[in-house]
Amino acid sequence: QVQLVDSGGGVVQPGGSLRLSCATSEFSFTTCGMHWVRQAPGRGLEWVTVIWADGRHKFYADSVRGRFTISRDDSKNTLFLQMSSLRDDDTAMYYCVKERAPFDGFNIWGRGTKVTVSS
Amino acid sequence: QSALTQPPSASGSPGQSVTISCTGTSSDVGGYNYVSWYQQHPGKAPKLMIYQVNKRPSGVPDRFSGSKSDNTASLTVSGLQAEDEADYYCSSYAGNNNWVFGTGTTVTIL
Repeated sequence: QVQLVDSGGGVVQPGGSLRLSCATSEFSFTTCGMHWVRQAPGRGLEWVTVIWADGRHKFYADSVRGRFTISRDDSKNTLFLQMSSLRDDDTAMYYCVKERAPFDGFNIWGRGTKVTVSS
Repeated sequence: QSALTQPPSASGSPGQSVTISCTGTSSDVGGYNYVSWYQQHPGKAPKLMIYQVNKRPSGVPDRFSGSKSDNTASLTVSGLQAEDEADYYCSSYAGNNNWVFGTGTTVTIL
């Protein structure tokens, strides 16, 4: 079973920053779009951001645009989510997710990394 | 982008069927055949069960089926089994490189 290993979560104060990572040795991030999806405690899923296979096209949910940045290091096949100006409502489990095909469903999920924004 | 609307809960006895609805708009569910469904057990990551409205990934039992009519998609689970007890979420491509999820439905096996 293909695995995505997401990491980097933790406790951060409001206004702070955190960088999440996601890695796999089983396929190249240059061959597919990759997303981050989050889930606040006891709540539903929320799409956060996508980076296309070309690595140049990046798109964000309104709730994080201007504060979060998605990127990747192709030499290490690692995906990142740089989060800044964090707010209480950013508290969530963050999942690294592979899309099945452009615009299509999400077929491979990481186990998630927990982000808590609290003073 | 507003979340797609799902009933909070659904239930059925073992062997019965349950259908979950997912209502959106012509800008998401009604506008694209990129509707997918996910199963999530407590403390676990979601799992893709249906993609492109009615297609099943390899390994997903054929007890799971999907459909769509206008702005509403549906997931039917037939022959309910104990392991089907979980949260289910729909999702749709919403254009302009945006995706939206449903509010989620908890399926309980009676």
